[in-house]
Amino acid sequence: DQQVKQNSPSLSVQEGRISILNCDYTNSMFDYFLWYKKYPAEGPTFLISISSIKDKNEDGRFTVFLNKSAKHLSLHIVPSQPGDSAVYFCAASRGNQGGKLIFGQGTELSVKP
Amino acid sequence: GAVVSQHPSWVICKSGTSVKIECRSLDFQATTMFWYRQFPKQSLMLMATSNEGSKATYEQGVEKDKFLINHASLTLSTLTVTSAHPEDSSFYICSAGRQLETQYFGPGTRLLVL
Repeated sequence: DQQVKQNSPSLSVQEGRISILNCDYTNSMFDYFLWYKKYPAEGPTFLISISSIKDKNEDGRFTVFLNKSAKHLSLHIVPSQPGDSAVYFCAASRGNQGGKLIFGQGTELSVKP
Repeated sequence: GAVVSQHPSWVICKSGTSVKIECRSLDFQATTMFWYRQFPKQSLMLMATSNEGSKATYEQGVEKDKFLINHASLTLSTLTVTSAHPEDSSFYICSAGRQLETQYFGPGTRLLVL
């Protein structure tokens, strides 16, 4: 049972344009969502998070949007840079699960110069 | 952000041997750490939750006798892969967090069992 889904395994974007990475979840009890960036053979790096009481959180070039009714969140990167090329994972957690994260399958972003 | 280290970064071992992987939170104390496993081109799968001072909590399908977890202190958790076999070859990653919500990950350990 895949509770967190990233349906696009890959995304290619031109440098300077917007990258939009999508994530869907099925468990309405999730109350905290995170995005991580990962390079091969390295651990994930935390990017940005959002609590379920908000619908938007912004940090520099990164903005996460949460649509609770649709059980959908997205990560916007503007403007995209070649250094953003990596695999992006969304993750979700429940407050009473002690911080346990459920990850999506990941989306490989490629930003072309 | 918080810093989490792992050691070793990679290890090659013979089938049947045991391998210990350390996970340390360098600049904060973590009562809870998590161990994940990632196969190539796949997502991170949570293996177990490591609790300081108590037994680890394993996810369904993870053999607790094969993957021994010890959370010796507030800054150290160890994962021991016992009697390793080639199918245990994978990328093992730990995480820890100051707060329950945001987890910070170690750099991972690549295990290759011959």
